[in-house]
Amino acid sequence: EVQLVESGGGLVQPGGSLRLSCSASGFNFNNYAMHWVRQAPGKGLEYVSGISINGGSTYYPESVKGRFTISRDNSKNTLYLQKSSLRTEDTAIYYCVKGGVYATDEIDNWGQGTLVTVSA
Amino acid sequence: QSVLTQPPSVSAAPGQKVTISCSGSSSNIGNNYVSWYQQLPGTAPKLLIYDNNKRPSGIPDRFSGSKSGTSVTLGITGLQTGDEADYYCGTWDSSLSAWVFGGGTKLTVL
Repeated sequence: EVQLVESGGGLVQPGGSLRLSCSASGFNFNNYAMHWVRQAPGKGLEYVSGISINGGSTYYPESVKGRFTISRDNSKNTLYLQKSSLRTEDTAIYYCVKGGVYATDEIDNWGQGTLVTVSA
Repeated sequence: QSVLTQPPSVSAAPGQKVTISCSGSSSNIGNNYVSWYQQLPGTAPKLLIYDNNKRPSGIPDRFSGSKSGTSVTLGITGLQTGDEADYYCGTWDSSLSAWVFGGGTKLTVL
């Protein structure tokens, strides 16, 4: 069974930084692209970032480009999201999600999410 | 403003059928496979349909997907109260090099 467990969320001040982690199990982590998707309170889903199997390609929407960095450690089956220059609008539940062989393949499994609150 | 457009809400009676539309453009729906996700209240989204019309194991055949040009449709037959949820379409956007989602559709089973 695929399991994705996020950690690292919490309260952070505007302008601050935070690193999220996602521990993956139940599948061969090395063989799948991975992504982060967020959901602000009462809002819809928003893509945050994605990374290819070997980490050689990364993907970001304009809203987070230059502020967020996705990375992975295949030896530890762990996905990361380093966030800096945080804004109040970055407040959301952040989901770790499993993709397919390619970043364009379907997102098929979601973690339970970790809440990040950006507030003074 | 979401890249993919969905109606904010739909409703139908138990046992009836409902469809949810999702429209986009040639850079996303028109040239890539679309997935649908169901999000029950207070839970993470769950994959419902992938590759436009395929169901993962465990998803009942009451759920179906179709695609025409730059639009896709999710169909749900034999509605149950347990189907009340938010439904999202999503796909890769080749111009943005990122996944994009619809704004979500809240299904109410009256």
